[in-house]
Amino acid sequence: DAGVIQSPRHEVTEMGQEVTLRCKPISGHNSLFWYRQTMMRGLELLIYFNNNVPIDDSGMPEDRFSAKMPNASFSTLKIQPSEPRDSAVYFCASSAATSGSTDTQYFGPGTRLTVL
Amino acid sequence: DQQVKQNSPSLSVQEGRISILNCDYTNSMFDYFLWYKKYPAEGPTFLISISSIKDKNEDGRFTVFLNKSAKHLSLHIVPSQPGDSAVYFCAASKNDYKLSFGAGTTVTVRA
Repeated sequence: DAGVIQSPRHEVTEMGQEVTLRCKPISGHNSLFWYRQTMMRGLELLIYFNNNVPIDDSGMPEDRFSAKMPNASFSTLKIQPSEPRDSAVYFCASSAATSGSTDTQYFGPGTRLTVL
Repeated sequence: DQQVKQNSPSLSVQEGRISILNCDYTNSMFDYFLWYKKYPAEGPTFLISISSIKDKNEDGRFTVFLNKSAKHLSLHIVPSQPGDSAVYFCAASKNDYKLSFGAGTTVTVRA
């Protein structure tokens, strides 16, 4: 079975450019998460969707970040405009949890973003 | 504010011996704890979990121990194998979707 799929795996862009990260969750999972991993802050939750609806976006750092989930099999995380401090590894994860509950989260391979 | 702390950034152990990874947490509301394992260029993968109603959970070579009074948990790997070389993350939640992760411990198993 395919796991969580993320694209691109690596992204190098210049400051001020728009960046879009993509995620395909595991089929049948109804919860989707976006995380960011940095040396300073470790792994932190950016946003949580359940049944395609954003439930918790309190981790989104600022208005430059936005996330969408137009259907059960696709989500995007967009940064516009990007800044060098956005350089990090961004992970998407999915789980079969119902809203608010806990279940094992399965992570994708991540997108390594470098903003010059 | 780090609510989950892994104070040892690295651990080196000989193949066949026991690896012990430690994790401390500050939030007494946490009641579900997990360990994830991560290889380079891959995402974290779930390893083992424990609910606060238990003090031990075992799965093959992996055992997690929970000491609620000390707000401390540990992961034991016995025996350690070369394939266990990875970064291990401790995570905690209030039995909901929100996981708080530690900074990770890099384990190196020497042949």
